[in-house]
Amino acid sequence: DIQMTQSPASLSASLGETVTIECLASEDIYSNLAWYQQKPGKSPQLLIYYANSLNDGVPSRFSGSGSGTQYSLKINSLQSEDVSIYFCQQNYDSPRTFGGGTKLELK
Amino acid sequence: QVQLKESGPGLVKPSETLSLTCTVSGFSLTSYHVSWVRQPPGKGLEWMGVIWGDGSTAYNSALKSRLSISRDTSKSQVFLKMSSLKTEDTATYYCARDTTGIPTGFAYWGQGTLVTVSS
Repeated sequence: DIQMTQSPASLSASLGETVTIECLASEDIYSNLAWYQQKPGKSPQLLIYYANSLNDGVPSRFSGSGSGTQYSLKINSLQSEDVSIYFCQQNYDSPRTFGGGTKLELK
Repeated sequence: QVQLKESGPGLVKPSETLSLTCTVSGFSLTSYHVSWVRQPPGKGLEWMGVIWGDGSTAYNSALKSRLSISRDTSKSQVFLKMSSLKTEDTATYYCARDTTGIPTGFAYWGQGTLVTVSS
C-alpha cells in the first residue's frame, strides 16, 4: 500500500497568515493527490484534486502544488472559517490511502 | 443534485455482522462508482472499498476477508456488509463518490453514520 505522511500533525497560525501543509507519498503518485477539509462533526469536503486543481466553490486562497512524492496545500490569508482538520489522499493506486491529518487552529 | 445518505444500526455487538445502506440520488450507479470510507472517533480516514459502475468491486486488503459491497441499481442503493466486528470497528461510516468516473477525489459524501461496536 502507498503510505501518505502528512506534516505537521498540528498547526497554530494567526488570521491573515499564510499556512502550508505537506504530504509525502511513499512512492510516485503522479499528481493523483487530493486535499480535504473536515470540520467537527461534518463530512470531509474536497478542496483540491490532481494536486493543483481547485474544486468548484473552493475559495481561491486555497492552492495545491507538488509532483512525484511531495505535495503541499497552501492557504493564503487565513480566515477563521479555515480552522479545520486537513487530509491528503492519493488516488493513484488501490487502496486509496489518506494522510493522518493536520489540525489547524488559530493562534 | 448528487446526494448520498447512509443508514444502518447505530449499535452492533462484537462478532456480529454490520449492514449499512447508502441511498443515492442525482446519478446512476451504473455510470458512477461509490466508495465506502470510515473514520474512528478522533482519528483519520480509511478507504474501505468500492463498487464500480459495472458492478465489480475492490477492497482494502486490510478488510477484504470481512467486507462485502453490493448494490441494487433499481433502488439506487449500495450495501456494505462487514463480518466479525471488533470494538476497533467503531467509526463513522461514509459513502462517497468521485467528481467524475475516474478516481480523482471524493467531491460528494453522505452525512455519515456512527456505528458503535459494543456488547
